[in-house]
This record gives sequence, structure tokens and C-alpha cells, in this order.
Amino acid sequence: DAGVIQSPRHEVTEMGQEVTLRCKPISGHNSLFWYRQTMMRGLELLIYFNNNVPIDDSGMPEDRFSAKMPNASFSTLKIQPSEPRDSAVYFCASSLYGTSRNQPQHFGDGTRLSIL
Amino acid sequence: KQEVTQIPAALSVPEGENLVLNCSFTDSAIYNLQWFRQDPGKGLTSLLLIQSSQREQTSGRLNASLDKSSGRSTLYIAASQPGDSATYLCAVEETSGSRLTFGEGTQLTVNP
Repeated sequence: DAGVIQSPRHEVTEMGQEVTLRCKPISGHNSLFWYRQTMMRGLELLIYFNNNVPIDDSGMPEDRFSAKMPNASFSTLKIQPSEPRDSAVYFCASSLYGTSRNQPQHFGDGTRLSIL
Repeated sequence: KQEVTQIPAALSVPEGENLVLNCSFTDSAIYNLQWFRQDPGKGLTSLLLIQSSQREQTSGRLNASLDKSSGRSTLYIAASQPGDSATYLCAVEETSGSRLTFGEGTQLTVNP
């Protein structure tokens, strides 16, 4: 079975440019999460969706960050304009919730973002 | 606000040793606790999930325990192998389908 698919794997861009990260969750999963990992702050949740609806975006650093989930099989995380402090590894994860069984979150391999 | 702490931050052991990784959390009102493994340059791989009503879970050489009342979990790795070298993270989920709050991880090195 295909896992969570993220693209691109690596992105290097200059400060001020728009960056779009993409995620395809596992088919059938109804929760999608965006995390950011840095050496200083570890893994932090940015936003998550249940059934394509944003539930908690309190981790989104500022208005430069936005996330969408137009359908059950696709999500984007956009940074505009990008800044050097946004450099990090961004992970997407998905899970199945609402059933009687606890389900683990499944992570993609991440997008390593470098803003120069 | 939930806080998750992992001790030790790094651990180096010779092959074959049994070892214990520790995780503590401040708010015992959790839905489950999950242990993950992260290899360099990779995403996280789920190892074990313990529901709040459970006390332990086992998978192969791994055994995770949960003491919700004291806010503690341990991951026991038996007969460690060099392939176990990775960073191990614990995380708590507070309600179904919600955020995971992660610890900072324990970087494990198993020397041949």
C-alpha cells in the first residue's frame, strides 16, 4: 500500500519567494496533519484537518502560512513570502479517526525546505 | 498545555544489551501514547500505540508500558542490534483524531 506521499522532497529557494508543499494522504484516512521539525523546537503541529475541514490551526506561525485541503486525497501548505527562519523539515501525516480503534498517525518522508 | 519529556537525550550501547527509554507527560488526560522511530533524513515510523485503557503493548523485541496516573511510559528494547540505531520519539494524543504532542526524542546508537 502506498504511504503518505509528499512533494517535493527538497526545496531550496530565495527569501521572499512563494513555497508550496504538497501531500497525498493514505487512501481512506480522514485526518491530515502538517508538522514542522527543527533542531531548536523539535516536532510541532502546524494545522490539522478532519474530513477536509481545518480543526486547529493554532500552530501556524503567522499569516504567511496557509493550508488547504480541497479534497480527501490532497493538501497543500503554502508559505508566502518565505523567510530564512522558515527553513525546516515539513512533515505531512494522516490517520483514521472516529472508529472504535485507536489508529496511529502515518508520516510521509518530509520536505526539507531551505530558504536562502 | 501538555508537555512531553524524554530521557535520556542520547544513549550508546553495545550490541545485545537490553535497554529502556523513558517518556513522561504532564497531563494524564490522554487518548493514547505512541512510540515512533525516525531514521536520518526520513519520516517517522509508528512502532507501538498504547490506548489510555491499556498498560502495555508488545511488538517483537519491543515492549512499551504506560502508567497514565503517573504520566510515564517506557520503551523496552530487548537484545539490541545495530539496526535499532535511530531516534525514538514518544507522543501523546489527547483526543481521537487530534494533535500529537511530541517529546524531543532519544538518539540511540547500538555499536556492533
